[in-house]
Amino acid sequence: EAGVAQSPRYKIIEKRQSVAFWCNPISGHATLYWYQQILGQGPKLLIQFQNNGVVDDSQLPKDRFSAERLKGVDSTLKIQPAKLEDSAVYLCASMGGLAGLSTGELFFGEGSRLTVL
Amino acid sequence: QKEVEQNSGPLSVPEGAIASLNCTYSDRGSQSFFWYRQYSGKSPELIMSIYSNGDKEDGRFTAQLNKASQYVSLLIRDSQPSDSATYLCAVSAGGYNKLIFGAGTRLAVHP
Repeated sequence: EAGVAQSPRYKIIEKRQSVAFWCNPISGHATLYWYQQILGQGPKLLIQFQNNGVVDDSQLPKDRFSAERLKGVDSTLKIQPAKLEDSAVYLCASMGGLAGLSTGELFFGEGSRLTVL
Repeated sequence: QKEVEQNSGPLSVPEGAIASLNCTYSDRGSQSFFWYRQYSGKSPELIMSIYSNGDKEDGRFTAQLNKASQYVSLLIRDSQPSDSATYLCAVSAGGYNKLIFGAGTRLAVHP
């Protein structure tokens, strides 16, 4: 079974530029998550999709971050304009099953490491 | 108050010893609790899940849950250098499998 695919693995941009990250979850997984992990910290949930609907985006900085999940499959996370503090690893994860019925196991992609100069 | 709290460590234990990792959470309605392991430069991977009060054992790992005290712990017996990693406590909140992670505890097992 193929895992969660993310790209690009690394990205270096200057502040105020824009960047986009792509994620393809495990086939059939209804729930998709984007987490931000700053060095030395735990993953922080940015946005959670159930199929192609948003179920939680309470910690997404909506003035600069946006995300979409077209057709309930792959997803894109965009940052525009980027700030220095956005330097982090952006982790995409997926979970199978329906809300409340899954094992709670998240399958993570390898992450996209963003450096903002 | 942070939703999920962990001691950042590092926790240093000798090879063969028991490593004890602790986690507290703020949402009394939380029902599902998880321990993820994250090696440096890698993504987190699930090692244990626990849903009811008490202990759950899986090989060298034991998860303990006390909902009244809002406390979760992970014991690693016979610690090995390969166990050196950051251990993330995660708590499921709400009905949509929203997983909130703690900051993680860095464990170092020295020979």
